[in-house]
Amino acid sequence: DAGVIQSPRHEVTEMGQEVTLRCKPISGHDYLFWYRQTMMRGLELLIYFNNNVPIDDSGMPEDRFSAKMPNASFSTLKIQPSEPRDSAVYFCASTTGTGAPEAFFGQGTRLTVV
Amino acid sequence: LAKTTQPISMDSYEGQEVNITCSHNNIATNDYITWYQQFPSQGPRFIIQGYKTKVTNEVASLFIPADRKSSTLSLPRVSLSDTAVYYCLVGGDNQGGKLIFGQGTELSVKP
Repeated sequence: DAGVIQSPRHEVTEMGQEVTLRCKPISGHDYLFWYRQTMMRGLELLIYFNNNVPIDDSGMPEDRFSAKMPNASFSTLKIQPSEPRDSAVYFCASTTGTGAPEAFFGQGTRLTVV
Repeated sequence: LAKTTQPISMDSYEGQEVNITCSHNNIATNDYITWYQQFPSQGPRFIIQGYKTKVTNEVASLFIPADRKSSTLSLPRVSLSDTAVYYCLVGGDNQGGKLIFGQGTELSVKP
């Protein structure tokens, strides 16, 4: 398996534009996580899915953020409209289930909103 | 979720052994202790996990005392490439799969 794949690796957009980040988890993993990382706030859990169903979205900053998982092999995180304070590295991760399984992270998407 | 406390930063020199301690006073009976490593511009990666006593792999050792209220990650003979942020996580079945990262410990290895 190629691991967790995120795209794009870098995204620069203007304030007010819609941004869509994409993630392909490892095949067979039941859990998918979206994180945001900044210097000030560290690594924040935004939302996570189990078997394509959102379990906890309490970390989503506000209504401008939305996430979907239409099938087991694909998830998106959308920001509409984007703001400069959304600039961060966004990571996607997947695991096999509950207990304490090893989490595999993608390379991240570095988002810059100007 | 059990809260974890780690030092914010540590400095070391090449060839030394580094021990990073994590406090988790509210750890639950079914919780495991897991450590991740994150290099700049990369996502965190799993390095070691344990439940009690001692666990060792090719990268590190994890020491867990009997009361499990703390744990120590030990990196033998560090090199410059061990410069990274190290995260301690505590969790298990009762968290429903949720993974929360704390602030981590930024380890700087100098020549």
